[in-house]
Amino acid sequence: GAVVSQHPSRVICKSGTSVKIECRSLDFQATTMFWYRQFPKQSLMLMATSNEGSKATYEQGVEKDKFLINHASLTLSTLTVTSAHPEDSSFYICSAAGTGLYEKLFFGSGTQLSVL
Amino acid sequence: AQKITQTQPGMFVQEKEAVTLDCTYDTSDPSYGLFWYKQPSSGEMIFLIYQGSYDQQNATEGRYSLNFQKARKSANLVISASQLGDSAMYFCAMREGLGAGNQFYFGTGTSLTVIP
Repeated sequence: GAVVSQHPSRVICKSGTSVKIECRSLDFQATTMFWYRQFPKQSLMLMATSNEGSKATYEQGVEKDKFLINHASLTLSTLTVTSAHPEDSSFYICSAAGTGLYEKLFFGSGTQLSVL
Repeated sequence: AQKITQTQPGMFVQEKEAVTLDCTYDTSDPSYGLFWYKQPSSGEMIFLIYQGSYDQQNATEGRYSLNFQKARKSANLVISASQLGDSAMYFCAMREGLGAGNQFYFGTGTSLTVIP
């Protein structure tokens, strides 16, 4: 089955630094990728939809200048948390789906971000 | 209105028993897909089963089956012969229409604990 690789799996950084998270579709072309944020014991919250070659579409309440998304190729999307603060600490998951009604969402393994 | 509703925050089941996790959905689109994902403590999202809106029969995948009641807009997950490894969060999700850009809507999840 299709695989989505997400890196790094865990990152600890100091407040004020930027962190980049990579999401790669390994064996299929993902024209669209989704970025989610998840707090402990809560559901996935869609942050943005990343479209290859165009600007990402952000959900209401998500700061586009804080969470920079780049989808430069059909296999790579990146999320950069700029000037991270402790409140940005969370679990971030990327995903990609194929076309068609029944195409399931393939998830990366997630990135646990801890901002000190 | 919520697109996906999971009313059971937590469930307990005895090992080897069956358990039903509830999910109701809301959509006016005649074409949609319903999905169940398992999220163990490691954080990865594991696809379990899907049901298409036009499918006549309930989906089954090993010990997982989906009780699809279209008129009631419910898509309950049934896990038979529960195992200790089934302890995890379970999310119901829906995708409306076709196209890779259509987002998935997730429920709030159900935490399942299998008791030895």
